Amino acid sequence: KNQVEQSPQSLIILEGKNCTLQCNYTVSPFSNLRWYKQDTGRGPVSLTIMTFSENTKSNGRYTATLDADTKQSSLHITASQLSDSASYICVVNPNTGNQFYFGTGTSLTVIP
Amino acid sequence: DGGITQSPKYLFRKEGQNVTLSCEQNLNHDAMYWYRQDPGQGLRLIYYSQIVNDFQKGDIAEGYSVSREKKESFPLTVTSAQKNPTAFYLCASSPRRQVVNTEAFFGQGTRLTVV
Repeated sequence: KNQVEQSPQSLIILEGKNCTLQCNYTVSPFSNLRWYKQDTGRGPVSLTIMTFSENTKSNGRYTATLDADTKQSSLHITASQLSDSASYICVVNPNTGNQFYFGTGTSLTVIP
Repeated sequence: DGGITQSPKYLFRKEGQNVTLSCEQNLNHDAMYWYRQDPGQGLRLIYYSQIVNDFQKGDIAEGYSVSREKKESFPLTVTSAQKNPTAFYLCASSPRRQVVNTEAFFGQGTRLTVV
């Protein structure tokens, strides 16, 4: 069964600290994995995309990693800011069909 | 600007009434999707359409209906048969799956409340 699991479910960190969010998936065959940021009451916005051959990709203070062998991805946020408070959703796209498989998200709260 | 637009942003409905949520995209995407999001849960697929005049049920299609008469539009009707319709609804679109690095682009959502 194709599944995407994220951990932790929620996280509270102090402003300026780093954090790492985890995503494990069983989706096969694999095409790409995206991390989305969703602010409360708004639609998700793509942060990074990882394809099968990529191990690390950065987008500003966001760094995503992918281990396609173990089917794990992580999103590392450096020097967190209050505006990073949001839900972070891992989405896996198989290379068959048009369906996307969504994780349940990690709710991140950054406090001053 | 290209994008995907949902309307209205907030919607209130009386029990027993049908209501239609609008989703329009000008990205020339073939595929469109409707998701439901409840507090503490991930996005759940209601319906999706890969081409005009064709659509498939997702994981939670009961109580919902859709149409895809135009490539740009994929309206969702929440019928009175949906027992718990209060939720945040997200529409998304994506290019054909053959496009490398396919991404789903999301609208800003419609929050439906049954009163």
